[in-house]
Amino acid sequence: EPEVTQTPSHQVTQMGQEVILRCVPISNHLYFYWYRQILGQKVEFLVSFYNNEISEKSEIFDDQFSVERPDGSNFTLKIRSTKLEDSAMYFCASSEVGRREYEQYFGPGTRLTVT
Amino acid sequence: LAKTTQPISMDSYEGQEVNITCSHNNIATNDYITWYQQFPSQGPRFIIQGYKTKVTNEVASLFIPADRKSSTLSLPRVSLSDTAVYYCLVGDLGGSQGNLIFGKGTKLSVKP
Repeated sequence: EPEVTQTPSHQVTQMGQEVILRCVPISNHLYFYWYRQILGQKVEFLVSFYNNEISEKSEIFDDQFSVERPDGSNFTLKIRSTKLEDSAMYFCASSEVGRREYEQYFGPGTRLTVT
Repeated sequence: LAKTTQPISMDSYEGQEVNITCSHNNIATNDYITWYQQFPSQGPRFIIQGYKTKVTNEVASLFIPADRKSSTLSLPRVSLSDTAVYYCLVGDLGGSQGNLIFGKGTKLSVKP
């Protein structure tokens, strides 16, 4: 069964540093998403991406965040200057079609720890 | 977006059938109901989706009454590996960008 992969599984960084989280969506999917989950809290939508541009973003996704699809397979989330409150599990997801009734496949997540 | 309400937690024993009910009193005509499952330290996983009546797949059944103001996820004969958080999501069929809005979910604990 095809799956979304994410690297690294765990990233530790110091406050103020830049981090890039990487994702490889399922190959024939066209819509890509980033979500985050702070420990013990609910999963929160960050951004959706289609046709090499952002489709929608939440209030969380401020100027410190950016996404990119640098090649035909990778999808990245960059946090320019990390803050302590950015510590969370970050999930990448992809789907064939960008509507809620279509299943989104989530990756295993990257645990980001900001010290 | 229709607000959903589901129990914070439920306990069950292996082999039992588990029913998790979600209330969505303000569900709109174009809304459909989707359930996701999340194991600790993993991403959510799609379980089942429906619009009305009953839907069944190899994992679960979803019961939706005629008024669609609630839905019940039914897990037959649960095992320890079904211990997870279960999320009920309600969303529209058209014009959506696809982002999922998760609530706090129901934490199901299955005991031996």
